[in-house]
Amino acid sequence: KQEVTQIPAALSVPEGENLVLNCSFTDSAIYNLQWFRQDPGKGLTSLLLIQSSQREQTSGRLNASLDKSSGRSTLYIAASQPGDSATYLCAVTGGANSKLTFGKGITLSVRP
Amino acid sequence: SAVISQKPSRDICQRGTSLTIQCQVDSQVTMMFWYRQQPGQSLTLIATANQGSEATYESGFVIDKFPISRPNLTFSTLTVSNMSPEDSSIYLCSGAVAGNTIYFGEGSWLTVV
Repeated sequence: KQEVTQIPAALSVPEGENLVLNCSFTDSAIYNLQWFRQDPGKGLTSLLLIQSSQREQTSGRLNASLDKSSGRSTLYIAASQPGDSATYLCAVTGGANSKLTFGKGITLSVRP
Repeated sequence: SAVISQKPSRDICQRGTSLTIQCQVDSQVTMMFWYRQQPGQSLTLIATANQGSEATYESGFVIDKFPISRPNLTFSTLTVSNMSPEDSSIYLCSGAVAGNTIYFGEGSWLTVV
């Protein structure tokens, strides 16, 4: 059974800092990995999708990497801003059109 | 991309009643899923909504409690039946598009009293 872990559960950083959010998964036979953002009282916003054959994806200040063999992914946020404060969730799928297995998320607070 | 709309966005429900949540996608999606997010927890898949046939439920979820319909490629409903306080959660609809990016609605926040 696939398990996704995100540690720590919460993180507080000063504005402007570069930071890395970690995600690990137990079964390396994934199809893809997706990072989401969830703001309080809101649904999930897709940030980046990495296919199993890819090593990284970039969107603006965000860069996600994937090391499938070691069961790890990182989300790098450059020059963090207070607007980046949210919960960041990592999720993996085992096949095309398969369900997502989620981690519990990392709640990020960026202090002005 | 896909934009997913859910109704209602919030509701307070009486114990023992049922509530149907609607999910509308602005484009055709290959798959539609329903998730639950209990307070302080991550998301758990309830079922995969199949067009024109019975939904596929995950372990621990049954059709009598969570009947699901998907009459076409862009619409689905989830009913939470005979509600109890333990059903107080966020219920999220999601859809998978080509390339397998999965998009989520804003969620339906249910409180059962």
